[in-house]
Order: sequence, then structure tokens, then C-alpha cells
Amino acid sequence: LAKTTQPISMDSYEGQEVNITCSHNNIATNDYITWYQQFPSQGPRFIIQGYKTKVTNEVASLFIPADRKSSTLSLPRVSLSDTAVYYCLVSGGYQKVTFGTGTKLQVIP
Amino acid sequence: EAGVAQSPRYKIIEKRQSVAFWCNPISGHATLYWYQQILGQGPKLLIQFQNNGVVDDSQLPKDRFSAERLKGVDSTLKIQPAKLEDSAVYLCASSSAAFGGPTDTQYFGPGTRLTVL
Repeated sequence: LAKTTQPISMDSYEGQEVNITCSHNNIATNDYITWYQQFPSQGPRFIIQGYKTKVTNEVASLFIPADRKSSTLSLPRVSLSDTAVYYCLVSGGYQKVTFGTGTKLQVIP
Repeated sequence: EAGVAQSPRYKIIEKRQSVAFWCNPISGHATLYWYQQILGQGPKLLIQFQNNGVVDDSQLPKDRFSAERLKGVDSTLKIQPAKLEDSAVYLCASSSAAFGGPTDTQYFGPGTRLTVL
């Protein structure tokens, strides 16, 4: 299983762009990178998924360099409601999905 | 579209007692997951069902935990007997993928918070 490493916590002011980087040095050829968001007292919620280069949706962007050993989740202009824990997951084939400890993002007014 | 439903939302029991959790996945979703999330940690997969068959239960403590998914729809997770270290949030998730592939989007329920005294 590809192990992921993320910062434990981050602080950001409202309106700023936040970038959360995830390291996955042992990523395999058929692995995908997926990010989930979890608010207190709720289950995780899918944000974005990618394999290489850049993926963008209405919520976030995901940047994956050519070697795929890391990825960066970018949240544009965060608001207080973006305060949550963000999980980076790497999985491929029929491996079970493994959540790490995630990054706790605190948005400050 | 209705989301994943779980009940109860909260449960307090004493150690050595039994407890059961219920999950109703999104209609039509073939894959169902049960996770255990201890405070401050990420969710840990306990068991994965494909329709009513078990795909992965390698992290399920089978001496005390059991789960079933009758008719490939609802599922129950049971703990008997409970230990103090079982205090956690139990999350149920479902996905539409037929064989649980890497691109699955999992939809999570609100979870059941279990406190074992």
C-alpha cells in the first residue's frame, strides 16, 4: 500500500488560497490520488481525484507532478466553512482505501 | 438522492455489553463499507461488502465484531462483547462501483458515536 504523509495542521486567513501537499513516494503505476474533506460529526466527503497533471472542479484543484510522488490540493479563497480535516488517499487496483491522519485546516477570520 | 442512513447516531454502553449498528446505503450502490474512526485519527476500514459478499474483512476483529449485509442492501455491524477501546465513531459508506475499484467515490453516512464505559 502506498503510504501518504501530510502536514498535521495548517492555519489560513479567510479569502486566501490554501495549498495542502501530500507526499506518496511509493505510489504505484495504477494508483489514483483522491482527497476527502471531513467536518466535525460528519463522515468524509469526496472532493477531487486525479491520476496525473492537473484536475479542477467547482470546489478545488489537484496538482500532480510528472513523477507523481506528491500531490497538492488547492482550495481557492477559503472561507470559515472550509475549516475541516482533509485526507489524501492513494489506491489502485483492488486495494482497500486507507485513510491517514489527515490535515486539520483552520480558517481564521 | 437520499444519502447513506445510519442509526443510532449515539450509543452509550458498558463494557462487555453488546451493541449493533444499522446502515442503509444509497439505493443501487453495490459496495458497502464499515469504518471505525477513533478520535483524532482517520477512518480505518473494518469490512467491505460487494452486494452481500465480503470483499475484505482483514482488519475486522472477528473475535468480537461481526457484520452482515442481507439481500445486498442494508447492513448491520455488531460488537459482542464491547471493550473500552471500541469507543469510536462507526462510519458506513457506499459506492456504486461493481467491483470496488480505485476510482470509486465513497459516500459516507453521519456515523454512530459509540461510548463504552
